[in-house]
Formats: sequence, structure tokens, C-alpha cells
Amino acid sequence: NAGVTQTPKFQVLKTGQSMTLQCAQDMNHNSMYWYRQDPGMGLRLIYYSASEGTTDKGEVPNGYNVSRLNKREFSLRLESAAPSQTSVYFCASRRGQLNTGELFFGEGSRLTVL
Amino acid sequence: AQSVTQPDIHITVSEGASLELRCNYSYGATPYLFWYVQSPGQGLQLLLKYFSGDTLVQGIKGFEAEFKRSQSSFNLRKPSVHWSDAAEYFCAVGAGSQGNLIFGKGTKLSVKP
Repeated sequence: NAGVTQTPKFQVLKTGQSMTLQCAQDMNHNSMYWYRQDPGMGLRLIYYSASEGTTDKGEVPNGYNVSRLNKREFSLRLESAAPSQTSVYFCASRRGQLNTGELFFGEGSRLTVL
Repeated sequence: AQSVTQPDIHITVSEGASLELRCNYSYGATPYLFWYVQSPGQGLQLLLKYFSGDTLVQGIKGFEAEFKRSQSSFNLRKPSVHWSDAAEYFCAVGAGSQGNLIFGKGTKLSVKP
């Protein structure tokens, strides 16, 4: 009963290093999302993918890239990490594209950039 | 632009006491409204949602919320809080039929024994 799985759960990077956060869902959902959560800021949308083969920018896309590898997987890449990208990252998925559907969240990936 | 305001950053209640968490939204049309809960170190879990119809909606874990269009509010309530309810609560609005949820900044709930 996995749902949405994110890897890694914890990561420490040095400024300028790159890394990819992986996300996979086993619920056959069409839409997938990447959020970041910072203290006192709530969740802010980085990128989303309404369906396989499409991606769109959210509220805070700068410094990130995404790939919707297939229907199950949606990865988030930091090409040159900055301390401002220290955050907890959440992947989420939803069955359709409509806002009436429930978002299912992974457990988060905590990233620290030194 | 749509937005969500949760006026209370942190609330402490005694176990067994009633709870109300406030949420105000800004959106021109009828919004889709949600409450999510996040336990420490966990992802978010849906408590309840409102799309249309009855303005009082029931959710999981004994929570309910009431949509009040005139006040642009969607406050979350629980008659008797349990220690396990200690968590962070997020209100969210979905603007339009497609697209994404806009989240409030969250209210952290602490429960006193």
C-alpha cells in the first residue's frame, strides 16, 4: 500500500552541487506535483504535471527542473543548489486534473544546502 | 488572485476542549475548499473537502467544517480534542476546475493534557 514514494528522505548538499529528487506513485494517477514547505510559508507549488508528457511551472519554479518520466514517476532536479533551496519537498498526485480530486502526498524529502 | 489566510499560527487547547481553526479565502467564484492535516515528519492527509451543496461538511477523525460564503470562511471544528490531534493544519483553496491548490500557511495545534 505504498501510495506516493519519495527518495531520498534526507540529503545534505554543498552550494553548487546538483541532485534529483525522485517521486513515484502506484495509484495510476494522472496529475503529479512538487511542493516545497518552509516554516511559516505553508506549501508552495514548484512544478506540476497534469498528465504524462506535460509539465508546467508553479509559484516558485526558479532553480528547479522537472521530468515526467512516465505516468508513475515525476522527478525534481536542482542543477546548482543554493542555501535558499534548503526546505522540505513534497511530491503529490491526483487521479484527474480537476480540483475536486484529493491530493495524495509523499512523506517528504528534507534537503539542506550548506 | 486567489489566496488563503489562516490567522492563527499556533493554538493550544486542553484535551477534551472544543476546537475551531479559522480559514479565510479570497476567490471570486465558488471555491473548492480543503483541510489537510500534517503530523510531525509526515506528509499531508486530507481531512475534508467542500465543493457544493450542504455547507457543513463532515470529515475524518471527528472533524467538520462550515463554508460561509458571506464571510469567505471555511473554519474547521472538533467538539472534543484528543492528544493525537496535535499536528499542523492547512486550509487550501482550489481555484477553477483545473490547476492547483493554494495552501494557507498553516496552524499548529498543541494539546495540553
